[in-house]
Amino acid sequence: GAVVSQHPSRVICKSGTSVKIECRSLDFQATTMFWYRQFPKQSLMLMATSNEGSKATYEQGVEKDKFLINHASLTLSTLTVTSAHPEDSSFYICSARDRLNTEAFFGQGTRLTVV
Amino acid sequence: EDQVTQSPEALRLQEGESSSLNCSYTVSGLRGLFWYRQDPGKGPEFLFTLYSAGEEKEKERLKATLTKKESFLHITAPKPEDSATYLCAVRTNYGGSQGNLIFGKGTKLSVKP
Repeated sequence: GAVVSQHPSRVICKSGTSVKIECRSLDFQATTMFWYRQFPKQSLMLMATSNEGSKATYEQGVEKDKFLINHASLTLSTLTVTSAHPEDSSFYICSARDRLNTEAFFGQGTRLTVV
Repeated sequence: EDQVTQSPEALRLQEGESSSLNCSYTVSGLRGLFWYRQDPGKGPEFLFTLYSAGEEKEKERLKATLTKKESFLHITAPKPEDSATYLCAVRTNYGGSQGNLIFGKGTKLSVKP
């Protein structure tokens, strides 16, 4: 299957600072990327969908000014959590899909802890 | 409202004890049902895609089946390394929602030696 690399795998930041998470498709062009958030013992909750070169589409209840998504190239999307607070602590996962495939392949996830 | 429900929430098996995981769904138009495996602290790993009722797919000790209302993930003679959370997801269209997946909460499988 296709490889999606997510970095960093873990990050601890101070309250009020911003954190950037990168998601790269290593061996295919990701025309669409998805960002999810997962709470313990809960399913993956879609936060936003982005297409290369266009603005991201955010799900209801997700603050677009807080969770900035950039999909500037066909192999890279970034999620920036701005002015992070302890309640933003969670497991963030990206996935990517190219124009031809129906499967979405996932990154390894990023454990964010805001202290 | 599109919905995906997985059962049981948790399943404990002895090594070699075969069983099945269930994923029931109610969607307006199914465009694919997906099974993933997720290990603790990791992203989901793709296992299978099923598109139409009656379809079956196999991979090692795993076999996925699909009906019009549910999917089963059968595990034959499981081993401890099969321990993980198994996620089911459905895609309902390719259009305005960009074909995103709707996930169930998962079944946490533990296989004891």
